[in-house]
Amino acid sequence: SAVISQKPSRDICQRGTSLTIQCQVDSQVTMMFWYRQQPGQSLTLIATANQGSEATYESGFVIDKFPISRPNLTFSTLTVSNMSPEDSSIYLCSVGPEGYGYTFGSGTRLTVV
Amino acid sequence: QKEVEQNSGPLSVPEGAIASLNCTYSDRGSQSFFWYRQYSGKSPELIMFIYSNGDKEDGRFTAQLNKASQYVSLLIRDSQPSDSATYLCAGNAGNNRKLIWGLGTSLAVNP
Repeated sequence: SAVISQKPSRDICQRGTSLTIQCQVDSQVTMMFWYRQQPGQSLTLIATANQGSEATYESGFVIDKFPISRPNLTFSTLTVSNMSPEDSSIYLCSVGPEGYGYTFGSGTRLTVV
Repeated sequence: QKEVEQNSGPLSVPEGAIASLNCTYSDRGSQSFFWYRQYSGKSPELIMFIYSNGDKEDGRFTAQLNKASQYVSLLIRDSQPSDSATYLCAGNAGNNRKLIWGLGTSLAVNP
C-alpha cells in the first residue's frame, strides 16, 4: 500500500492564524482526501483533492476556510485559515482506493488557543 | 442522505471469545465496504474490505456482506486485548470514490 508522510504531527496555534498541513505520498495516486476527526468522533470528509483542478468540498466546508492545493499526483496541502478554538481537531489525509482500500497519513493534531 | 450506522458500544468481550461488529447502510448503490481499526491517538488502519456477498476471511478476521439486507459485519475470533480499539465501518458508493463512514464501535477485550 501507499505510504503517506503527513506533517506536522501536531501544532498549537494562536487564534486568527493559519496552519498548512502537508501530505507526501510515495507513489502517484489519483484521489486524495482530507478529513477532520473530533475527539471521540468518526471521520468527517472535508474535501477531495483533485490534481489539476479545484478541490471538491463537502457540505459545511468552504474553500476560503480550508484551501487545498494538489500540484501533482504525490502531494497535497490543506490550510486551516483564520483559526478559532472550534478548529481544534485531528486532520487526516487519505489516498485510495488502491485495490486494497484507503490509506491514511499519521494525522495532524491541531490545538487552537 | 447516504448513511452508515454502527452500534457505538462499548462492546466488551473476554479474551479468546468472538467479537461481532455490525454495520448497516442505506445506499443500495454502495459496492465496497471497509473495516478499519483505530487505536486511541492513531490514524485508522485497514483491516479488511469486501465487495461480494458472503464471507471473506483473513486470519482471525471474517467480514460478511449481505447486500439484500444491507448489512456488513466483522467477526474477530480468539479476541486479544490488543484488539481493543474503535472499529470503523465505511462504504464506497459506485464511481464516487469517497467513503461514507459509520460512527465507530468501541471494542474492549478483557484479559
